[in-house]
Formats: sequence, structure tokens, C-alpha cells
Amino acid sequence: QSALSQPASVSGSLGQSITISCTGTSSDVGSYDLVSWYQQLPGKAPKLMIYDVSKRPSGVSNRFSGSKSGNTASLTISGLQAEDEGDYYCSSYAGTYVLFGGGTTLTVL
Amino acid sequence: QVQLVESGGGVVQPGRSLRLSCAASGFTFSSYGMHWVRQAPGKGLEWVSVIWYDGRKNYYADSVKGRFTISRDNSKNTLYLKMERRPPEDTAVYYCVKQDTMTLDYWGQGTLVTVSS
Repeated sequence: QSALSQPASVSGSLGQSITISCTGTSSDVGSYDLVSWYQQLPGKAPKLMIYDVSKRPSGVSNRFSGSKSGNTASLTISGLQAEDEGDYYCSSYAGTYVLFGGGTTLTVL
Repeated sequence: QVQLVESGGGVVQPGRSLRLSCAASGFTFSSYGMHWVRQAPGKGLEWVSVIWYDGRKNYYADSVKGRFTISRDNSKNTLYLKMERRPPEDTAVYYCVKQDTMTLDYWGQGTLVTVSS
């Protein structure tokens, strides 16, 4: 049950696009199209932003998109806004358990 | 709308057992799997446990296996987590999370458990 690997931090300017990677193994990310992404704002609970690799829940901006290639999933945020600043976590269902990434702090410059 | 309200946290001594509760509303509780996920202060998310919609099966992270017990009472729309033999590393905010198909879609606001003698 090893954690998924994410960069500790990323940054981008207002209006730009950024991508956060999430690397697992052939036993988790590579085996299932069950990658989710969560946004956590300071002092708040995580919020689901992407599920099943690339699907957006109702109400989530289409500026958020997800993809996967092999053992690596990615979250792209386009048209960065100040309110996007926070922590982002990926997760993957792996049979009988769930793995999370270590989290990536997004700073909007 | 979906609401998940955790309770039962606080400052607890390492040797004492503790039971967290999560009151669910806004959806048919008995139809969904439920999880506990925790977050140590300043750290990332860590999955703890899952229980099937009917309570027949449950699974645990290696870090809590044998010490924590997840359960549910579908007649009361309530999820539980019993914690025993807690080292200081169990200090965290514990979130109750609803599962839809294979996605953790709704999270409670969390309850803070501080293990300290």
C-alpha cells in the first residue's frame, strides 16, 4: 500500500495552465481507470474535482480536466484563477483499498 | 443534499479506546459503501478503512489493521470507527467519506483526534 507520487508543489500565473502528475504502478493507477482528483482549500475538507480519470462531477468547472497514460495520471487546470490555489490530491482504487498521492500545493502567482 | 457529520474526536490517552461516529443524511445510506480517511496535522490524506453498503465486508490500511474496527448501523444512518491501542501517530483529522461506484464523492468536515498522555 505505497502512496502515489505527486510533485510537492507547482505554480502558475493567472490565466495560464498547469499540470499535476500522479504516478503509481501497474497494480493501481495502471490497472484501473479509477483515478480521482481532490481539491483541498485551507481549513476545508477535500472536494472531488475529477473521477474515473477524466469525468467531472456536476458543478466543477470545465477548466479542470484529467487524463492517464500507463501508470501516470494527470490533472490539468486551464485559465488559472486565484481561487484555484490550494492542495490537490490524486487517488486510485486498488482492489480492496484506496491509495492517495502525497499532495501538490498549487500557488497562483 | 448529502451531509456527513463526524463526532467523537478530542484529546485521548494512548491506552483508551475511542469511537468515532458519522451521521449521514441526504442519501440512501444503506445503498453505499463508506470510508474513513485521515489527515495528520500538516500532512496528506491517508485512507484508513472501507465498509460495504451492507456491512458484510470491510478492509483496512496496514497501518491500522488489528487496531481499528469499522462498522455501520443502517437503521440509524450512522458509520463508526473504533480505535484502540493508539500511538501518537494516530493524531489526525478523521473524515467520513461516501463512496459512489468506485469514487469517494462526498466528504464530511472531519473530527480531530489528538492522542496525548
